[in-house]
Amino acid sequence: EPEVTQTPSHQVTQMGQEVILRCVPISNHLYFYWYRQILGQKVEFLVSFYNNEISEKSEIFDDQFSVERPDGSNFTLKIRSTKLEDSAMYFCASKGIIGNQPQHFGDGTRLSIL
Amino acid sequence: GESVGLHLPTLSVQEGDNSIINCAYSNSASDYFIWYKQESGKGPQFIIDIRSNMDKRQGQRVTVLLNKTVKHLSLQIAATQPGDSAVYFCALDQTGANNLFFGTGTRLTVIP
Repeated sequence: EPEVTQTPSHQVTQMGQEVILRCVPISNHLYFYWYRQILGQKVEFLVSFYNNEISEKSEIFDDQFSVERPDGSNFTLKIRSTKLEDSAMYFCASKGIIGNQPQHFGDGTRLSIL
Repeated sequence: GESVGLHLPTLSVQEGDNSIINCAYSNSASDYFIWYKQESGKGPQFIIDIRSNMDKRQGQRVTVLLNKTVKHLSLQIAATQPGDSAVYFCALDQTGANNLFFGTGTRLTVIP
């Protein structure tokens, strides 16, 4: 069964440094998403991406965040200058078509900011 | 904004019993509902979904019930097994929106 893959599984970064989290969505999917889950809390939406542009973003997704689909397979989340409060699990998800379909999630990247 | 809550943060059941996990939501414009299972160290895994034009949907050992009148969603797991132990989230989608609202999760523990 096709799946969403994320790398790395764990990223440790010094505060103030840039970090790039990588995702390979399911190959025929068109809608891509990033979510965040702080330890012990619920999953929170960050951003959605379709047709090479952001379609929606939450208040969490401020100017320090950016997303990119640099080629036909990868989808990345960049945090420009990390803060301690950015420590969380970051999940990538994808969906095939518009409308009522479930989003499929990767297993996440654990980001630890020191 | 949307608020999604669950009635219990934890639920313990005996192996073989049925489990019921509940979810309440506030936005009546929500029209698509999904249950996800999250095991330790993993991402949310799709279990079952239901559209707002339905009130019940069944899968393998799982049933989702939707009561739009009281804005309530439940997940029933039949003959619960140790492998069902996980955190369960309800998530809401809305036509035209491009994001899911997740509930806070219920941790299900199956006692052998």
